[in-house]
Amino acid sequence: KQEVTQIPAALSVPEGENLVLNCSFTDSAIYNLQWFRQDPGKGLTSLLLIQSSQREQTSGRLNASLDKSSGRSTLYIAASQPGDSATYLCAVPLWTDSWGKLQFGAGTQVVVTP
Amino acid sequence: EPEVTQTPSHQVTQMGQEVILRCVPISNHLYFYWYRQILGQKVEFLVSFYNNEISEKSEIFDDQFSVERPDGSNFTLKIRSTKLEDSAMYFCASSDVDRVGQPQHFGDGTRLSIL
Repeated sequence: KQEVTQIPAALSVPEGENLVLNCSFTDSAIYNLQWFRQDPGKGLTSLLLIQSSQREQTSGRLNASLDKSSGRSTLYIAASQPGDSATYLCAVPLWTDSWGKLQFGAGTQVVVTP
Repeated sequence: EPEVTQTPSHQVTQMGQEVILRCVPISNHLYFYWYRQILGQKVEFLVSFYNNEISEKSEIFDDQFSVERPDGSNFTLKIRSTKLEDSAMYFCASSDVDRVGQPQHFGDGTRLSIL
């Protein structure tokens, strides 16, 4: 059974610092990995999707890397801003699972202080 | 940008009552999903739906739950006889394809509170 772990559970940084968020998964047979942002009491906003054949994916200040063989993905957020404060979730579907069932990590709660 | 919309945003229901949560997926999407998140816990998969039938369901999705696409735009989750432990945030998601790596897009959720 796929297990998805995110470390650390919480992170507080001063504005301007780079953020490094980690996601690990136990079964490397994944199609892709998706990073989400969740604001308190809100839904999930898709940030990046990185395919299993890719090593990294970038969008603005966000960069996600994927190392399937070691079961790890890292989300980098450059030059953090207070508006980046949120919980960040990673999720993977299983290759062998049908219909794209996503399995989520517990998230990393990020606070960026001005 | 197209988005998934869910109504209501908050539903308060007495235990044992039926509740229907509604979702309007993105219009050209074909795959629909329900997830839930109990307060302080991980987001959990409930069910996926394609071509007017359930594709996969989790152990949580027992006989109390059902899904329906009553028309061309809505996708609903029904809980027949709610329990206290059904209190959670319920998220609807959709994607236009499944295995070829398109992202799932989520709505803002319905917070279900069972009294």
